[in-house]
Amino acid sequence: AQSVTQLDSQVPVFEEAPVELRCNYSSSVSVYLFWYVQYPNQGLQLLLKYLSGSTLVKGINGFEAEFNKSQTSFHLRKPSVHISDTAEYFCAVITNQAGTALIFGKGTTLSVSS
Amino acid sequence: DGGITQSPKYLFRKEGQNVTLSCEQNLNHDAMYWYRQDPGQGLRLIYYSQIVNDFQKGDIAEGYSVSREKKESFPLTVTSAQKNPTAFYLCASSFDSANTEAFFGQGTRLTVV
Repeated sequence: AQSVTQLDSQVPVFEEAPVELRCNYSSSVSVYLFWYVQYPNQGLQLLLKYLSGSTLVKGINGFEAEFNKSQTSFHLRKPSVHISDTAEYFCAVITNQAGTALIFGKGTTLSVSS
Repeated sequence: DGGITQSPKYLFRKEGQNVTLSCEQNLNHDAMYWYRQDPGQGLRLIYYSQIVNDFQKGDIAEGYSVSREKKESFPLTVTSAQKNPTAFYLCASSFDSANTEAFFGQGTRLTVV
C-alpha cells in the first residue's frame, strides 16, 4: 500500500518570500503524484501533477514541484508568495494500477502575511 | 458547465439518524470517490467506485454505505453506526481509476447534534 507524508503541518511566510512545502511518499509500485490546494470551506483544486517525463513540473499560480524518485519526494515550491496563496495544500499519490484511489497526506497550511 | 455538484452544502442531523449526502457529476467520469476531512487528518477515503453497480471500501468505510446505480450519481449514506459523523465530506470523480486527476465537489459539512 502507498502512503504520503507531508512533513510540515503549518508553514508561515512573509509575502514575496520563497516557500517549499515538503512531501514524501512510499510505494512498492510506480506512482503518480499530485498537489492540490484547498481554500476555506471549498473543494480541492489541482495545482500540478507528475505522471511521467520531466521531473520538474509546473502548475498554476506560479507553483512548481520536482519529482525525486531516489528520495521518494515531491516537494512543492514557489519563488515568491502572495497573500492570496494562503490556503491548505495537499500532496496525493496514486499507483499506476487500475482499481486504486488517490491517497492524501494530512495537509500543510500555508499562511502568508504582509 | 461540467462539474461535480454536492448537496446540500451544510447539513444538520440529530444523533442516531441516517443521512444521505448527494454527489452528481456531468463529466462522464467512470470513477467516483468519497472522502472525509477532519482538521489535521487530511482526506481519508471512505468508498470509491470504478464503474456502475460496483464499489469498494476505503480506509474508513465503517458506518457508511454507498450506491452507484447511475454513472452520474454516487450518494453516501452516513448511518447511525458511524461513531463520529460530524465532518466535512468531499466527493470526487476521475475519468478512470488509474493515473488521471480527480475533480472535487465543493463539499458538504455535516454536523450531528
